[in-house]
Amino acid sequence: KTQVEQSPQSLVVRQGENCVLQCNYSVTPDNHLRWFKQDTGKGLVSLTVLVDQKDKTSNGRYSATLDKDAKHSTLHITATLLDDTATYICVVGDRGSALGRLHFGAGTQLIVIP
Amino acid sequence: DMKVTQMPRYLIKRMGENVLLECGQDMSHETMYWYRQDPGLGLQLIYISYDVDSNSEGDIPKGYRVSRKKREHFSLILDSAKTNQTSVYFCASSFGTGVYEQYFGPGTRLTVL
Repeated sequence: KTQVEQSPQSLVVRQGENCVLQCNYSVTPDNHLRWFKQDTGKGLVSLTVLVDQKDKTSNGRYSATLDKDAKHSTLHITATLLDDTATYICVVGDRGSALGRLHFGAGTQLIVIP
Repeated sequence: DMKVTQMPRYLIKRMGENVLLECGQDMSHETMYWYRQDPGLGLQLIYISYDVDSNSEGDIPKGYRVSRKKREHFSLILDSAKTNQTSVYFCASSFGTGVYEQYFGPGTRLTVL
């Protein structure tokens, strides 16, 4: 059973627009949540990690929130660029120790058009 | 320059042939991973290595084995490859487990005919 659900599955926006990606999960316990960016044919690159019960992070045009009570996270991309075209993957870590596992979402494919 | 490398990047094999995928990292990370990525699915963990000769099965280890004889190098071996092992394989490394950031290689696209 999929424990990390991302929506939408795909999204097309015009350059300069803002967008919001969603991640809902049922992983328990939920130690941390990380967002990755995966360019086509490339590996995953970490954008941000959220740890606290209600957390917010900001990394340039990327900002993210986490609400562990709702088991929900959002990734906001402001003023999108063509280079933002990629798949964005939400990953939930169930523990902060060596016993922990990472649970990967299938990703949201974002396409930015001129 | 922090980097995870994978060789080869593309590989085509026939069913029943042996496959060797290689991964290297230059960050002296203790922990290394092998994942596979299939369309519509999240990455699935095949094996995790906590250090040299300290390997553990992940969620889908059947049909795979690994070798880690040097900290910077981690190999994935498919003995007698099957068509359902066609996938993109990613190697990753991290300083530790848990919240530590994982650094990913560019992937190897394996096709088993």
